[in-house]
Amino acid sequence: EAGVAQSPRYKIIEKRQSVAFWCNPISGHATLYWYQQILGQGPKLLIQFQNNGVVDDSQLPKDRFSAERLKGVDSTLKIQPAKLEDSAVYLCASSLSRTNTEAFFGQGTRLTVV
Amino acid sequence: GESVGLHLPTLSVQEGDNSIINCAYSNSASDYFIWYKQESGKGPQFIIDIRSNMDKRQGQRVTVLLNKTVKHLSLQIAATQPGDSAVYFCAENIWSTLTFGKGTMLLVSP
Repeated sequence: EAGVAQSPRYKIIEKRQSVAFWCNPISGHATLYWYQQILGQGPKLLIQFQNNGVVDDSQLPKDRFSAERLKGVDSTLKIQPAKLEDSAVYLCASSLSRTNTEAFFGQGTRLTVV
Repeated sequence: GESVGLHLPTLSVQEGDNSIINCAYSNSASDYFIWYKQESGKGPQFIIDIRSNMDKRQGQRVTVLLNKTVKHLSLQIAATQPGDSAVYFCAENIWSTLTFGKGTMLLVSP
């Protein structure tokens, strides 16, 4: 079974620039999550999709972050404009459904904002 | 890859020892709890979960204990191996949203 695919693997940008991350979940997984993991901390949920609908974006800084999952499969997360404190690993995860306990994570995109 | 273990509590054990990693949670409404393992440069990997109506669950070489009275969760790893070296996170699920704890780094020396 193919895992959760994310790209790019690494990204370095200057502050105030924009950046986009891509995620392709495991085939058939209805629920998709984006997490932010700052160095030395646990992942923090940014947004959760059920198919192509948002079910939780309460911790997404909506003034600069946006995410979409238009066809209910792959997803993009965008930051515009980036700040220094956005430097983190952005993890995508998917699960069969919201009630399924086992979420599978991708390797993440390491973002450095300079 | 760069470690996510900086400034984390660290547990150092010898190969073959049993390891116990502890976690305190805050929300009594959590309906289940999950332990994840994260190796350097990788995403978290599911290890085992436990529903809030249970107090113990066993997997292969791992046991999770839940004490709801004191809101405490532990992960026991039997016969710890060098490949178990990683950062371990507990996560609590509330209304289908996972909230991760701070993590503990486990270092296993041969």
